[in-house]
Amino acid sequence: EVQLQESGPGLVKPSQSLSLTCSVTGYSITSNYWGWIRKFPGNKMEWMGYISYSGSTSYNPSLKSRISITRDTSKNQFFLQLNSVTTEDTATYYCARNNYFDYWGQGVMVTVSS
Amino acid sequence: DIQMTQSPPSLSASLGDKVTITCQASQNINKYIAWYQQKPGKAPRQLIRYTSTLVSGTPSRFSGSGSGRDYSFSISNVESEDIASYYCLQYDNLPPTFGGGTKLELK
Repeated sequence: EVQLQESGPGLVKPSQSLSLTCSVTGYSITSNYWGWIRKFPGNKMEWMGYISYSGSTSYNPSLKSRISITRDTSKNQFFLQLNSVTTEDTATYYCARNNYFDYWGQGVMVTVSS
Repeated sequence: DIQMTQSPPSLSASLGDKVTITCQASQNINKYIAWYQQKPGKAPRQLIRYTSTLVSGTPSRFSGSGSGRDYSFSISNVESEDIASYYCLQYDNLPPTFGGGTKLELK
C-alpha cells in the first residue's frame, strides 16, 4: 500500500525558509510524480509543484523563485523548500502522488509567525 | 490558470437524500476532473477521477458526470459517513487547480 508522511517544523519565522520532508513507503519515487499541495485557513487549496520520476520539476508560477522540490531516492523521500516565507504561507501542507493526487499524506500544519 | 467554480459552498441534506455538486471550469478540461472528500483533520481522499471513474473502494452511491467545462458530482443516498467537505480538481492543465469546496452537513 502506498503511504506518504510529511514531517517538519510546525512554526517558521517570517523571512526564513520552510523545509518539509515527505517519506514514501510502498512505492518507489522513481516512478510517477510526487508533489506538494497546501490548504490555507479558509479552505483554499493550492498545488505548489512536483518532482517527476526522472527528477525533473514543475512549479506553480505563483510561487515564482521561492520554491524548490528535491529528492533522495536512496531514502525514498522528497522535500519541499519554500524561501522568504510570510504569514500568507501559513497553511496545512500535504504531499501527494501524481498530478491528480491519488494518494496523500496526512498533512502538517505550518504556522509562519514571529 | 484554469479557474474552477464550485457550487454550492455548503449543502444541507437528510440521510437518504440525493445531493449534487457542480464545478465549472473557465475552459474545456477534457474530462480531466477528480473529486475528493475531506473530513476534519484528515487528508483528502480521492473518490472519482477522469470525470466518472470510481477509485477503488469508493461506494457506488457516488457518481460523476460532465464534459467540456461543466461537471457534476452526486451522492445518491446520503449516509452519515458522507458528512464532509468535497472538492473538485482539474488536472488537464498545469497548474492543477481546485474548486473552492462544498461542505455537506446533515439537515
